[in-house]
Amino acid sequence: AQKITQTQPGMFVQEKEAVTLDCTYDTSDPSYGLFWYKQPSSGEMIFLIYQGSYDQQNATEGRYSLNFQKARKSANLVISASQLGDSAMYFCAMSLGNQFYFGTGTSLTVIP
Amino acid sequence: DAMVIQNPRYQVTQFGKPVTLSCSQTLNHNVMYWYQQKSSQAPKLLFHYYDKDFNNEADTPDNFQSRRPNTSFCFLDIRSPGLGDAAMYLCATSRLLSGASSYEQYFGPGTRLTVT
Repeated sequence: AQKITQTQPGMFVQEKEAVTLDCTYDTSDPSYGLFWYKQPSSGEMIFLIYQGSYDQQNATEGRYSLNFQKARKSANLVISASQLGDSAMYFCAMSLGNQFYFGTGTSLTVIP
Repeated sequence: DAMVIQNPRYQVTQFGKPVTLSCSQTLNHNVMYWYQQKSSQAPKLLFHYYDKDFNNEADTPDNFQSRRPNTSFCFLDIRSPGLGDAAMYLCATSRLLSGASSYEQYFGPGTRLTVT
């Protein structure tokens, strides 16, 4: 069964605008972690942001914030003030213990 | 800097010729993973080690084997590569987050395998 769902195969955003990448997850385990990774064309998976299931506040890391809505089981990534270098694949992932489950990714293109 | 290192970054092998991909870590993490990632797809877990305990995914072909001689090193052996095994191979490590109940995963830069 799909544990992580990313419904946007591709997204476009104007430079300097904000963009939201969607992610929903499915688990009955009360303890889990949610992650977003960026993968540029070079192939390296770059960690962006983490949200624990027990965290009360939404995680933020610079221009990245995670909109965590536990009841809806969603963990959307918000990128503010998009830059050309943000063009990449973005993967949402969930950890259950030391097992990680990845979504199918969203390809983001930032338009000058 | 502590990190996950993969060598080589690019590997070309011939159809049917065994190949070994290497991964090392200086993070002293007890969990190590091998993922296969094909173009425009999510990483697919092949197997992982928790210390020396080997955990194979049910759908990982027998053609793929792994060795972890010590905490720092982990190897992926492809015994008889086929054209369908051309992919990016990602090594990762993980640790239990301090004060949390979930793990955090660190990736190496990947090895891009071409099969000719």
